[in-house]
Amino acid sequence: GESVGLHLPTLSVQEGDNSIINCAYSNSASDYFIWYKQESGKGPQFIIDIRSNMDKRQGQRVTVLLNKTVKHLSLQIAATQPGDSAVYFCAENTAGNQFYFGTGTSLTVIP
Amino acid sequence: DTAVSQTPKYLVTQMGNDKSIKCEQNLGHDTMYWYKQDSKKFLKIMFSYNNKELIINETVPNRFSPKSPDKAHLNLHINSLELGDSAVYFCASSQRGGLETQYFGPGTRLLVL
Repeated sequence: GESVGLHLPTLSVQEGDNSIINCAYSNSASDYFIWYKQESGKGPQFIIDIRSNMDKRQGQRVTVLLNKTVKHLSLQIAATQPGDSAVYFCAENTAGNQFYFGTGTSLTVIP
Repeated sequence: DTAVSQTPKYLVTQMGNDKSIKCEQNLGHDTMYWYKQDSKKFLKIMFSYNNKELIINETVPNRFSPKSPDKAHLNLHINSLELGDSAVYFCASSQRGGLETQYFGPGTRLLVL
């Protein structure tokens, strides 16, 4: 089956620095990707998405980059804040079927 | 005005018992899902329903049975609970399914003793 994995399980950054969370996916047919943020004790919350016909998409303080050649997805958070501390998941969807979630990266922001 | 709600939030029970988790969404979405998140935070889909019809049924023991009385509700019934069923169970919904954002509930933390 498909697999979605993250390079780093944990990441610590200083408040104000930029954060980059990486994700590798294995199914080249995947055409839609979402980044979710999960705070402690809560359900995953949508951050940003990107379709396979794009290689970059920007939101408020967040940017998602998609490199289809190497099947790699990244989430960049600008000026990281303590409230950004959470577990971040990437999820891929293939042909409108279902989402497969990565294992998650725990981001800790150091004040 | 919670979008996706689940009850109960916590569930502690003995092995062998039967329990149910309820989920409701007030977003008017057609598709609902159940996910299981293990202790390592791995999130795996279990079931997906579209307009009360089962769409996805991943490799899940048949002790798990979803029930959708209407498109706003998707309940999960678990028979003969086992220790390995301990996890956080999330309900989610999306407008139509497929290439759409899913909105998650707060989760139900199940502990089987």
